Amino acid sequence: DIVMTQSPDSLAVSLGERATINCKSSQTVLYSSSNKNYLAWYRQKSGQPPKLLIYWASTRESGVPDRFSGSGSGTDFTLTISSVQAEDVAVYYCQQYYSSPPTFGQGTKVEIK
Amino acid sequence: EVQLVESGGDLVQPGGSLKLSCAASGFSFSSYEMNWVRQAPGKGLEWVSYIASSGSGIYYADSVKGRFTISRDSAKNSLYLQMNSLRAEDTAIYYCARNLITGGTYPAAFDYWGQGTLVTVSS
Repeated sequence: DIVMTQSPDSLAVSLGERATINCKSSQTVLYSSSNKNYLAWYRQKSGQPPKLLIYWASTRESGVPDRFSGSGSGTDFTLTISSVQAEDVAVYYCQQYYSSPPTFGQGTKVEIK
Repeated sequence: EVQLVESGGDLVQPGGSLKLSCAASGFSFSSYEMNWVRQAPGKGLEWVSYIASSGSGIYYADSVKGRFTISRDSAKNSLYLQMNSLRAEDTAIYYCARNLITGGTYPAAFDYWGQGTLVTVSS
């Protein structure tokens, strides 16, 4: 199974500041024939199900604010929140879907400083 | 509007059985691959099972293989998870989740999730 490791486990950011979350996979999730990274990001607010933010490592899901962006390729990926809002307090997960079973990172908790 | 509504969660004794249901609406259920994903209390996300749109392709996590059975009924727009030989470590919120990619043959990213149903395995 592909192991997904996120860093940091938690971070506190001031309102309006940038937040950066990293995700590393134990093997590549880049499918060479399509040049697509099989990597997704989710936000899970307290008491709610996860919500898809980003797929193919950098494609924003419909309706997701443009302050969320994804980058990276191969084994190293980043989710950036350019200007953190109060509603972004949540746990964020990366997930690979390159191979079965799909696996998630352990989560990164974002709080307001 | 896409909606996924899970039901069937309950308190069950170790070794017992339970069947979860997920009612889908707002999209062409028969065209989408579907999944179950679970989350133990205070823990992260774990994919459990996948079923192809036709019902012909099925996958399970090693942790539930041989004990859980996924199925679907397109006439009822419903997804199911039959859980047998339940263990304490199966205690979790179980989410029904739609595959982002259609026409594929494997679990992918998940673009819609239900609110979840809580399964508690305890004596």
